[in-house]
Amino acid sequence: DAGVTQSPTHLIKTRGQQVTLRCSPISGHKSVSWYQQVLGQGPQFIFQYYEKEERGRGNFPDRFSARQFPNYSSELNVNALLLGDSALYLCASSPGPTTEAFFGQGTRLTVV
Amino acid sequence: AQSVTQLGSHVSVSEGALVLLRCNYSSSVPPYLFWYVQYPNQGLQLLLKYTTGATLVKGINGFEAEFKKSETSFHLTKPSAHMSDAAEYFCAVSSGYSTLTFGKGTMLLVSP
Repeated sequence: DAGVTQSPTHLIKTRGQQVTLRCSPISGHKSVSWYQQVLGQGPQFIFQYYEKEERGRGNFPDRFSARQFPNYSSELNVNALLLGDSALYLCASSPGPTTEAFFGQGTRLTVV
Repeated sequence: AQSVTQLGSHVSVSEGALVLLRCNYSSSVPPYLFWYVQYPNQGLQLLLKYTTGATLVKGINGFEAEFKKSETSFHLTKPSAHMSDAAEYFCAVSSGYSTLTFGKGTMLLVSP
């Protein structure tokens, strides 16, 4: 069975640009969460979606947005990139909003 | 609000020695507690979890952890370290699986 897949695995962007990260959950999972992991820190919660609706939002600026599609895949968008947005972005899927989450390998974003 | 404190950003042990990684949590509701492992440039893999019931939890790769409510602790142990255990370990708390609050992580170094 395929696990959580994220794309791309790595990308480099310039300050001020916009980026879209993608996540495909495990088949049958309807909830997707996004986390940001800055180097040397633990992951921080950004968003949770369940059945295409936002179920939770962490303490991140409005430059961060996300959505979930009818097939339960998800996109995370970050506008007006700052150097401080450089991080590993992790996607986690779960069958429901209050069930165990399984993490993907992450997308490494570098902002220069 | 919930929080996690992991004592020691780095822990060094010899192969075959006891591994002890410390985690203390703060939660206003009965916590769900987790330990995850992260290898370089990888996502997070669940080692073990405590939800309710037995306070001594056994996980994968010979790891176990004990929930001590009176001490608000959930320390991770393994009787005998292997070289393959070298990785970063994260303790996390949630109020019911949904969104996770992580500690800053502890890097485990294993020497021959």
